Amino acid sequence: NAGVTQTPKFQVLKTGQSMTLQCAQDMNHEYMSWYRQDPGMGLRLIHYSVGAGITDQGEVPNGYNVSRSTTEDFPLRLLSAAPSQTSVYFCASRSGQAWGGDTEAFFGQGTRLTVV
Amino acid sequence: DQQVKQNSPSLSVQEGRISILNCDYTNSMFDYFLWYKKYPAEGPTFLISISSIKDKNEDGRFTVFLNKSAKHLSLHIVPSQPGDSAVYFCAAYPGTYKYIFGTGTRLKVLA
Repeated sequence: NAGVTQTPKFQVLKTGQSMTLQCAQDMNHEYMSWYRQDPGMGLRLIHYSVGAGITDQGEVPNGYNVSRSTTEDFPLRLLSAAPSQTSVYFCASRSGQAWGGDTEAFFGQGTRLTVV
Repeated sequence: DQQVKQNSPSLSVQEGRISILNCDYTNSMFDYFLWYKKYPAEGPTFLISISSIKDKNEDGRFTVFLNKSAKHLSLHIVPSQPGDSAVYFCAAYPGTYKYIFGTGTRLKVLA
């Protein structure tokens, strides 16, 4: 039981390049999300999904795309990387069974992205 | 507009003493709060939570207190241990599948 797996762990991109951050979970969780962590800003929600085929924008969605074709996978795409997207990215999943917030979210180990 | 605020970026405490981490929120409609702990190069891990119908929740050395009238919650760690040194994030659940995180407090427990 691996939990939430993110790849790659580190990545350096040139401005304008595109890439996909991978996220997979093996807990059959309905809810998955992407956050970015920046100094002094905490964790900010980029996009989230409440089930296969359903995605929605979070707090900072610009410059990112997501799709959810399976329960297990929730990739995050950077279409044209910018230096402002230099950050640490975390994928999280949790069970969607509860209406409330009392089900904890499980986070991946993060992807440290640098855009030069 | 920060809806969840952790005004202390860092805190140092002697081993064995109490650590108190604070969190303030602005929206009285928030009905669930969580604390996450994060070590360097790892993802956040869930620590403890509290529902708005309670004012205290305890789990071993960790206790979270909620003061709804002041829109304030705090995490108490007693006794503090060097392994508790990490960044602690407070999060609120507004009931829309989203967590709203604070900016984090870096706790250093000195041996």
